[in-house]
Amino acid sequence: DIVMTQSPDSLAVSLGERATINCRSTLSILYSSNNKNCLAWYQQKPGQPPKLLIYWASTRESGVPDRFSGSGSGTDFTLTISSLQAEDVAVYYCQQYYGTPRTFGQGTKVEIK
Amino acid sequence: EVQLVESGGGLVQPGGSLRLSCAASGFTFSSYWMNWVRQAPGKGLEWVANINQDGSKSYYVDSVKGRFTISRDNAKNSLSLQMNVLRADDTAVYYCARDTYYYDTWGQGTLVTVSS
Repeated sequence: DIVMTQSPDSLAVSLGERATINCRSTLSILYSSNNKNCLAWYQQKPGQPPKLLIYWASTRESGVPDRFSGSGSGTDFTLTISSLQAEDVAVYYCQQYYGTPRTFGQGTKVEIK
Repeated sequence: EVQLVESGGGLVQPGGSLRLSCAASGFTFSSYWMNWVRQAPGKGLEWVANINQDGSKSYYVDSVKGRFTISRDNAKNSLSLQMNVLRADDTAVYYCARDTYYYDTWGQGTLVTVSS
């Protein structure tokens, strides 16, 4: 199985500041057929289901604010919140969809400092 | 509106059985792979099972193989998860999720508690 490891496990950021979450896979998840990385990011707020934010490592889902961005390739990926808002407090998960089982990172909890 | 609504969760004793359902609406259900994903209390997300568009292929996480069965009824736009020989570590919120490689639509989840 492909193991996804996120860092840090939690972080506290001041309102308006940048938040950066890292995700590493145990093997490359670059899909040769379309030269895209099979990596998605989800946001989960308390008591709610996960919400898709980013797919193909850097494509923002419709309706997601542009302060959220994804980057990286191969085995190393980053989710960046450029200017943290109060409504961004949540747990964020990366997921690879290159192989089965589709594995998730352990999650990163983002809080306000 | 694309929507998934789970039902069927509840309290069950260890060794018991439960059947979860997921009602889909707002999209052509038969065109998509579908998944079950679970989340134990205070823990992360774990993919459980998936099924292809016509129900001819299904896959499971090792921990549920032989105990859980995923199925679908495209005529009724419905996804199911039959869970047998339940264990305490199956306690979780179970979500159904639509598969477009990534999971673009999730239900609200249904809680399964396995306890005596």
